[in-house]
Amino acid sequence: DTAVSQTPKYLVTQMGNDKSIKCEQNLGHDTMYWYKQDSKKFLKIMFSYNNKELIINETVPNRFSPKSPDKAHLNLHINSLELGDSAVYFCASSRRGDAEAFFGQGTRLTVV
Amino acid sequence: AQSVTQPDIHITVSEGASLELRCNYSYGATPYLFWYVQSPGQGLQLLLKYFSGDTLVQGIKGFEAEFKRSQSSFNLRKPSVHWSDAAEYFCAVGDLLTGGGNKLTFGTGTQLKVEL
Repeated sequence: DTAVSQTPKYLVTQMGNDKSIKCEQNLGHDTMYWYKQDSKKFLKIMFSYNNKELIINETVPNRFSPKSPDKAHLNLHINSLELGDSAVYFCASSRRGDAEAFFGQGTRLTVV
Repeated sequence: AQSVTQPDIHITVSEGASLELRCNYSYGATPYLFWYVQSPGQGLQLLLKYFSGDTLVQGIKGFEAEFKRSQSSFNLRKPSVHWSDAAEYFCAVGDLLTGGGNKLTFGTGTQLKVEL
């Protein structure tokens, strides 16, 4: 069973489009995250949700909007995609009060 | 704010040789430290973690790491590298948040190449 699963794994789209990436975890964790890995493989946190409440928003453009319908799901919606949004986006989850995060397989987004 | 430095961008070792990947961190309190591995086109897999206690921690795939507070280091080691260890390795420091959850700050990664 996949603990943290993301869909799709690959996403190629044109500039200006709107796209969503879905994430689900079956670990029973309270907290979920989105991390971005840029072309130089640098990983940085974007958002953190704890029990559907936004905890962290790391100065991410407003075009990025996370949505958490329940604590097992955290989706990432991106409006008006730009070339610079091309990256690998990782979803992760953790137990409340635990420093360890479990990562999904990543979604490679390519904007052309 | 916390930070992580991995001074080696690329490392090449021969199969069977020993390996040490360096990691230095900056953090105000006792850190939560991690090593993750990312194989090409794959996600992040946790190799090992340090929260407290014994400063030498064992992980998966024969890896170990030693926490040295005096040097602010958490270096990853493996006595004998296998060709399948070729991957990108990330050191990270974790910060527990008041609102719940945590925030991982990653180093820039070390790409390991293994020569047969």
